[in-house]
Amino acid sequence: KAGVTQTPRYLIKTRGQQVTLSCSPISGHRSVSWYQQTPGQGLQFLFEYFSETQRNKGNFPGRFSGRQFSNSRSEMNVSTLELGDSALYLCASSLAPNRAGKQYFGPGTRLTVT
Amino acid sequence: TQLLEQSPQFLSIQEGENLTVYCNSSSVFSSLQWYRQEPGEGPVLLVTVVTGGEVKKLKRLTFQFGDARKDSSLHITAAQTGDTGLYLCAGAYGTASKLTFGTGTRLQVTL
Repeated sequence: KAGVTQTPRYLIKTRGQQVTLSCSPISGHRSVSWYQQTPGQGLQFLFEYFSETQRNKGNFPGRFSGRQFSNSRSEMNVSTLELGDSALYLCASSLAPNRAGKQYFGPGTRLTVT
Repeated sequence: TQLLEQSPQFLSIQEGENLTVYCNSSSVFSSLQWYRQEPGEGPVLLVTVVTGGEVKKLKRLTFQFGDARKDSSLHITAAQTGDTGLYLCAGAYGTASKLTFGTGTRLQVTL
C-alpha cells in the first residue's frame, strides 16, 4: 500500500506570494492533518480535516488555510508569505479522527521563502 | 499550553553503547507516540503506548509509558549507526486527534 504522498517536495517562493501544497493520504485513510516543522519551534499542529470538514485547528494566523476533497486528498494554502513561513510542511493521515496514535506522515514539502 | 519536554536534546555516542531518551509533560496523555525522523523525510512511527505502566519492545528499542501517563522513555540497547536520527515523542490529550510534539532528541551514533 502506498504511503502518504506530498507534492511538491521542494518549493521556493518570494515574500508576499501565496502557495498551495498537496497531500494524498494512504488509501482508505479519511483523516488528514497538517503540521509545520521549523528548527526553532519544532513540529506544530496546523489543522485536521475529515469528511471535507475542518475538525481541529492549531494556533496559526488566518493566512494558513486548508481544505479536503471528497477523495480525502487535502491541500493547504498559505497567503501573503513571510520569511518565517519557511519550514517543512508535513501531512499525516489516519483512518479516522481520534486516532492520533495511528498517524502516518508523508515526506513533507520544504518551503523556502526569500 | 501543553508542553512536552524531551531530554537530552543532543546525544552523540559510539556504536554498542546504550542510551535512554526521556519525554515529560505536566498533563496526562491519552496516548503517546515515538517517531524517528531522518533528514529530508517525515517522521516514521515507531510505537504507540496507551496504558499507564505499559512497556513495549521493538528489537533493541524499549518504550515505557509512566504509570501516571505523563511521561515516557525510550531505551536503545547496543546502538547502531542506523539508529542515527531525530527522535520525537508526541502526545495526544483526551480524544483530540492532534499531536503535541516534544522538542526532539538528535542522536548520532558513530563507529
